[in-house]
Amino acid sequence: GAVVSQHPSRVICKSGTSVKIECRSLDFQATTMFWYRQFPKQSLMLMATSNEGSKATYEQGVEKDKFLINHASLTLSTLTVTSAHPEDSSFYICSANSPGGARETQYFGPGTRLLVL
Amino acid sequence: DAKTTQPNSMESNEEEPVHLPCNHSTISGTDYIHWYRQLPSQGPEYVIHGLTSNVNNRMASLAIAEDRKSSTLILHRATLRDAAVYYCILIASGGSNYKLTFGKGTLLTVNP
Repeated sequence: GAVVSQHPSRVICKSGTSVKIECRSLDFQATTMFWYRQFPKQSLMLMATSNEGSKATYEQGVEKDKFLINHASLTLSTLTVTSAHPEDSSFYICSANSPGGARETQYFGPGTRLLVL
Repeated sequence: DAKTTQPNSMESNEEEPVHLPCNHSTISGTDYIHWYRQLPSQGPEYVIHGLTSNVNNRMASLAIAEDRKSSTLILHRATLRDAAVYYCILIASGGSNYKLTFGKGTLLTVNP
């Protein structure tokens, strides 16, 4: 199946700093990628849809100026958490649509665990 | 997106079959039924999907009711590695933006 990677897998940062998370489709091109956030014991919550070459579409309640998304190429989308605070500590997961199978199928990255001190 | 209802948790013994139910009484004619699972501390993993007919793949089988208002994910022989949260998700076909809306899913515990 299609492979999606994320980097870093884990990051600890100080409050007020910015953190960039990369999402890569390793063996296929992804015009659309998705970013999710998952708090402990909760389900995944879609944050935004990342579109190659255009602005991301954010879900209601997600601050676009705090969570900057850039999808500069067909294999890379980045999520930058700006001025991170402890409440931003979470598990961030990206996904991309399957290139060859059903378009509705998504392949997920392994996730990035962010801890803001 | 149409809503799905799943039991919060289920328990199974290793090497026994597991039937994970999902109710989706408001499903529309163009909604695909997708199943994903999430192992601890990992991203979700695609399991199987279908529209009307039952589906089989190397991971599982999907049985879809004739009226499509419910479906069942079948793991034929559960292993300890199948312990995960299983999500049943409906996705409308024909659109250009296939967003997934995750519910709470079913936490499957597999006993050795």
